[in-house]
Amino acid sequence: NAGVTQTPKFQVLKTGQSMTLQCAQDMNHEYMSWYRQDPGMGLRLIHYSVGAGITDQGEVPNGYNVSRSTTEDFPLRLLSAAPSQTSVYFCASSPNREGVEKLFFGSGTQLSVL
Amino acid sequence: AQSVTQLDSHVSVSEGTPVLLRCNYSSSYSPSLFWYVQHPNKGLQLLLKYTSAATLVKGINGFEAEFKKSETSFHLTKPSAHMSDAAEYFCVVRGTGRRALTFGSGTRLQVQP
Repeated sequence: NAGVTQTPKFQVLKTGQSMTLQCAQDMNHEYMSWYRQDPGMGLRLIHYSVGAGITDQGEVPNGYNVSRSTTEDFPLRLLSAAPSQTSVYFCASSPNREGVEKLFFGSGTQLSVL
Repeated sequence: AQSVTQLDSHVSVSEGTPVLLRCNYSSSYSPSLFWYVQHPNKGLQLLLKYTSAATLVKGINGFEAEFKKSETSFHLTKPSAHMSDAAEYFCVVRGTGRRALTFGSGTRLQVQP
């Protein structure tokens, strides 16, 4: 069982570059989300989706875009990377569309913006 | 808005001794609370959850947590630490919209042999 798959695992960008972090899940979960993890700050929600075609902003959405064209995929786009976006990014899914409880996490993407 | 505060950023215990990781929450209503664990270079995993049933909640790997409304606390405990328990632990509260989880800043547990 693959679960939640994130690619790439590591990425280095220059300021101003754009890129897409990929996330796919094979559990038929309707709920998917993106978090960033920074030292001493826990995980902060960037965007989430409760189904194909439906997305919403989380706590720190600025500088990021998402789309949900299929149940399986939930890519995160950085439009113009900034050093403040250096972080570890986690994608997570849940079988519960409402009342999110158990999140299934990917293994993370470590992003450095120079 | 809901929030959680983890009172210790680092906790160090000896193998075989009790573990206590402290979490206080702030909520205007009866919250849903969770503990997640993150082992090095891994994603997070749900340890246990409280959703207004029994106040003493048992989780995986011998961990348990007690919801105390009067103290607005949800501390995580384990009677006897094992080396494999070394990880980062996050106290989490579910938002009013029930679609988002808010994570605490984390407590890194170190287990000494």
